[in-house]
Amino acid sequence: SQTIHQWPATLVQPVGSPLSLECTVEGTSNPNLYWYRQAAGRGLQLLFYSIGIGQISSEVPQNLSASRPQDRQFILSSKKLLLSDSGFYLCAWSVGGGSNEQFFGPGTRLTVL
Amino acid sequence: AQTVTQSQPEMSVQEAETVTLSCTYDTSESDYYLFWYKQPPSRQMILVIRQEAYKQQNATENRFSVNFQKAAKSFSLKISDSQLGDAAMYFCAYRMLTQGGSEKLVFGKGTKLTVNP
Repeated sequence: SQTIHQWPATLVQPVGSPLSLECTVEGTSNPNLYWYRQAAGRGLQLLFYSIGIGQISSEVPQNLSASRPQDRQFILSSKKLLLSDSGFYLCAWSVGGGSNEQFFGPGTRLTVL
Repeated sequence: AQTVTQSQPEMSVQEAETVTLSCTYDTSESDYYLFWYKQPPSRQMILVIRQEAYKQQNATENRFSVNFQKAAKSFSLKISDSQLGDAAMYFCAYRMLTQGGSEKLVFGKGTKLTVNP
């Protein structure tokens, strides 16, 4: 069966510090991968998606970047965090095409102080 | 642009009763998919139910069912025999294709459901 992991679960970082959040998927090959951010009391906003290694699409201009160094690994990064980067970050995967649902990881709670 | 609107920020229901959560969306596509996701306090997003737009029959999953009105672009979720474990944020989502060859979900802002014992 497929599983998706995210770490860390929680993170407190000072403004201006770098960020690296990792997401890995097990039990499937060549998944579509996604990074979402959920601000307090709001819905999910898609940040990045990837249909293959090294292929990253950005949905909104921001202080963050994403990379996919391996088929089932998706990394969210920042060189210098802003206060506005605080939120709950969710990674998701899906099988490309069709009516496929997206499966979500457990999320990372990021607080920037 | 595709948008998803959930007009009820909060709803409450008595245990064992029925509640309906509303969702409307805007699209120019004729074939698409709609989803309801549940996010309990653990923050884990869990798929509740899925509807293909080309299917006229409303989807049903045990106590959960939808009322899909394609012409009205409405996709409401009905929870029957509500249980305490149903308490969560519920998000309506529309699946759209991207220019990059993938698909993405556009989410509403969610409805917080409280189940009263």
